[in-house]
Amino acid sequence: EVKLQQSGDELVRPGASVKISCKASGYTFTNYAMYWVKQSPGQGLEWIGTIIPLIDTTSYNQKFKGKATLTADKSSNTAYMELSRLTSEDSAVYYCARSEAYWGQGTLVTVSS
Amino acid sequence: DIVMTQAPLSVSVTPGESASISCRSSKSLLHSNGITYVYWYLQKPGKSPQLLIYRMSNLASGVPDRFSGSGSETDFTLKISRVEAEDVGIYYCGQLLENPLTFGSGTKLEIK
Repeated sequence: EVKLQQSGDELVRPGASVKISCKASGYTFTNYAMYWVKQSPGQGLEWIGTIIPLIDTTSYNQKFKGKATLTADKSSNTAYMELSRLTSEDSAVYYCARSEAYWGQGTLVTVSS
Repeated sequence: DIVMTQAPLSVSVTPGESASISCRSSKSLLHSNGITYVYWYLQKPGKSPQLLIYRMSNLASGVPDRFSGSGSETDFTLKISRVEAEDVGIYYCGQLLENPLTFGSGTKLEIK
């Protein structure tokens, strides 16, 4: 069974950074791209970027360049997304998704002082 | 960027009846390989999105065959036959043809 287990909700201060993890199981981690998607409160879905773990290649939505950094650890089958210089606009639920089909449970990031 | 436009914003359906949701893309989603890269998702309240339809008309694993997808290069339809209470939520279309991947703004389905 394919599972994507994301790290827990985060409360972070403005200006700080946060790193979210997404641990994959039930499939060969390097065989599939991992997407990251943002959902602001009461809003729709916004693609942040994609990482291909096999070749460590990333592609980003221009809007999130400089904001998000995607990495993957093949030894632990875990994908990561770091968000930097956080503001209130970054408060949202963030999802990882294995290609188009399987989604993590989401990680709520709240930016507040 | 490819813009995905959904209609209606919301729909209220009597259990057992059918519902249709439309999605229009600002550019053809038909790849030269013959695949149309439009996808449909359902986000139930408080849950992650779940894949319903992939590549315009293919039913995802475990999804009831009451759901079906159809369309052309730029106009797409999700049809739900015999709507049930468990179908409530927000439906999104999305395109995975090219970066940036983009999604429609969602259609909320409610039960009468």
